[in-house]
Amino acid sequence: EVQLVESGGGLVQPGGSLRLSCAASGFTFSTYWMSWVRQAPGKGLEWVANIKEDGSEKYYVDSVKGRFTISRDNAKNSLFLQMNSLRAEDTAVYYCARDRFGSPHDYWGQGTLVTVSS
Amino acid sequence: QTVVTQEPSLTVSPGGTVTLTCASSTGAVTSGYYPNWFQQKPGQTPRALIYSTSNKHSWTPARFSGSLFGGKAALTLSGVQPEDEADYYCLLYYGPNWVFGGGTKLTVL
Repeated sequence: EVQLVESGGGLVQPGGSLRLSCAASGFTFSTYWMSWVRQAPGKGLEWVANIKEDGSEKYYVDSVKGRFTISRDNAKNSLFLQMNSLRAEDTAVYYCARDRFGSPHDYWGQGTLVTVSS
Repeated sequence: QTVVTQEPSLTVSPGGTVTLTCASSTGAVTSGYYPNWFQQKPGQTPRALIYSTSNKHSWTPARFSGSLFGGKAALTLSGVQPEDEADYYCLLYYGPNWVFGGGTKLTVL
């Protein structure tokens, strides 16, 4: 059974940093692209970033470029999102999701809430 | 900035048929945008329904189908059930990035 479990969310002040983690199980993690998707309270979904199987390619939505960094540790079946210079508009539930070619986000974690507020 | 547009809300009667659409600000949606559709019920995690225009996941009910129509991606629900009441999101590929539509709130009434 595919499982994705996010952690690391919480309350942070504007300008602060937070590191999200996603523990994957039930599939061969190292053979899949992975993504982070977020959802602000009461709003729609927004793709944030993705990373290739071996970590050699990473892509970001324009609004987080230069502030967020996606990474992975295939030995530990883990995905990460380092978030710096956080803004109020980054407040959202952050989901990690598995990607297949042509079929992004086929499995999702339960999400972790990030709140940026003073 | 690329914008993906969906109907904000639609209402359908139980047993009826409804089509949700997904348009791109860059022009006609084609298979090269790998249209995907997701369902999200209140308080739940999104669930993938359709990938690459018309392909169903193993868990996708048969009453859901995806297509291209009139320059847009489309999700059709035939024989709508009360449990289909949810938010539906499309997702398009603008290599190398992905962009979600704003979502359609489907009410079954």
